[in-house]
Amino acid sequence: SQQGEEDPQALSIQEGENATMNCSYKTSINNLQWYRQNSGRGLVHLILIRSNEREKHSGRLRVTLDTSKKSSSLLITASRAADTASYFCATGDGTASKLTFGTGTRLQVTL
Amino acid sequence: DAGVIQSPRHEVTEMGQEVTLRCKPISGHNSLFWYRQTMMRGLELLIYFNNNVPIDDSGMPEDRFSAKMPNASFSTLKIQPSEPRDSAVYFCASSSNRQGGTEAFFGQGTRLTVV
Repeated sequence: SQQGEEDPQALSIQEGENATMNCSYKTSINNLQWYRQNSGRGLVHLILIRSNEREKHSGRLRVTLDTSKKSSSLLITASRAADTASYFCATGDGTASKLTFGTGTRLQVTL
Repeated sequence: DAGVIQSPRHEVTEMGQEVTLRCKPISGHNSLFWYRQTMMRGLELLIYFNNNVPIDDSGMPEDRFSAKMPNASFSTLKIQPSEPRDSAVYFCASSSNRQGGTEAFFGQGTRLTVV
């Protein structure tokens, strides 16, 4: 079963705009991670935020975590056509690194 | 490091045949995961190992599926007999399982088609 639900399922924006994706989960977590998947490829890790952290940045990425609401958001600033991909959140239970993925958001960035 | 290596990249087989998918995790990683991805069900965790020991196989769909990890550098996922509904992309991933969690590194996947 899937732990997380991403919202929206699909997002289409123009290059230069910001893209925001949300993730909700059900059970307590140790950490939450965001991954990217280009069509036909494996997933690539973007960023990890621990349960005691509220915000984290990496380049053009900004992730927030609200454990009281069991939700996280991924913001991609100044999007580029190369950001076109599916983005997944994954929750880690911490005890044995079990990672459970959400349903994903398909992001399309047009020129 | 070459990353997580999966083989084959593509597999087409007839219903009823045995299928074996292979995975070589990143050296030094002690957690290994098998996932299945389909349009209908998304990315499903089938089984994961810590230090070569299966920890949670609750995601394995049925007895036709089995997974082994005989040593730290090799794992297999076997489907016997295969059915058309097993058609999917199967991913192997590995991580170093540190306290607080670490990122998982994915292979390129095996695209399985059962006809």
